Amino acid sequence: GQSLEQPSEVTAVEGAIVQINCTYQTSGFYGLSWYQQHDGGAPTFLSYNALDGLEETGRFSSFLSRSDSYGYLLLQELQMKDSASYFCASSGDSSYKLIFGSGTRLLVRP
Amino acid sequence: NAGVTQTPKFQVLKTGQSMTLQCAQDMNHNSMYWYRQDPGMGLRLIYYSASEGTTDKGEVPNGYNVSRLNKREFSLRLESAAPSQTSVYFCASRADRERGNQPQHFGDGTRLSIL
Repeated sequence: GQSLEQPSEVTAVEGAIVQINCTYQTSGFYGLSWYQQHDGGAPTFLSYNALDGLEETGRFSSFLSRSDSYGYLLLQELQMKDSASYFCASSGDSSYKLIFGSGTRLLVRP
Repeated sequence: NAGVTQTPKFQVLKTGQSMTLQCAQDMNHNSMYWYRQDPGMGLRLIYYSASEGTTDKGEVPNGYNVSRLNKREFSLRLESAAPSQTSVYFCASRADRERGNQPQHFGDGTRLSIL
C-alpha cells in the first residue's frame, strides 16, 4: 500500500518561515509533489521533486530525501494569503497515479 | 482557456438515485482523474484514465463507474447513491502519460449531498 503522513495543522506568524513535513511509504516512487488548496477551492500545483535536494520557486521551496522517504515544503516571508491546506502527493505503484496525504492546514497570524 | 470544467457544481440526491458527474478538459491532456474529498481530509483517488480508452481503479472505486468518452471527457457515475458518498468530487487532468513532474490541473469541484 501507500501512505503519506503530514502534520494536521501548523500556525505561524506573518513574515516568518514555516516548514511542512511529509513522510511517505510507497511500493514504487516517481517523485513527491506539493499542492495548495484554499478553503472552498481546488488544489493547485506548487512544486515537484524527483531527485534528492532542494527545489526553489519564489517564496516556496521543496526538499526531498529518498533514502529517508521524507520531504518538506518550506514557505518563506509568510503572507496572510498563504493560509491554506498543503498536500504532499506521490505516485506509487504507477507513474500515472497520484496519491495524496491528508493535508496540513496552515494558519498565518498577523 | 477553460482548463478543466466540471458539471454540475452542486447536486443533492436521494439515497438510491443515480447520477453522472461530467468532466471535460481543453488542454489536450492524456491522463484524467476523479478524486473525492471529505471534510478536513485529503483527496482520495477513485478512478483514473491514463489515456483515451483505458481506465483503472484508484484507492476507493467501490460504488462508482467511469467512462473515458474521448480524450477530452471523463465521466463519473454513481449507480445507486449512498449517504457515504456525500463529498466534494474533483476531476483533474495531466499532460504527459508517464512523467511525474507534470502537474495535475483540477476542476472547481462538484459538491454532492446524498440524503
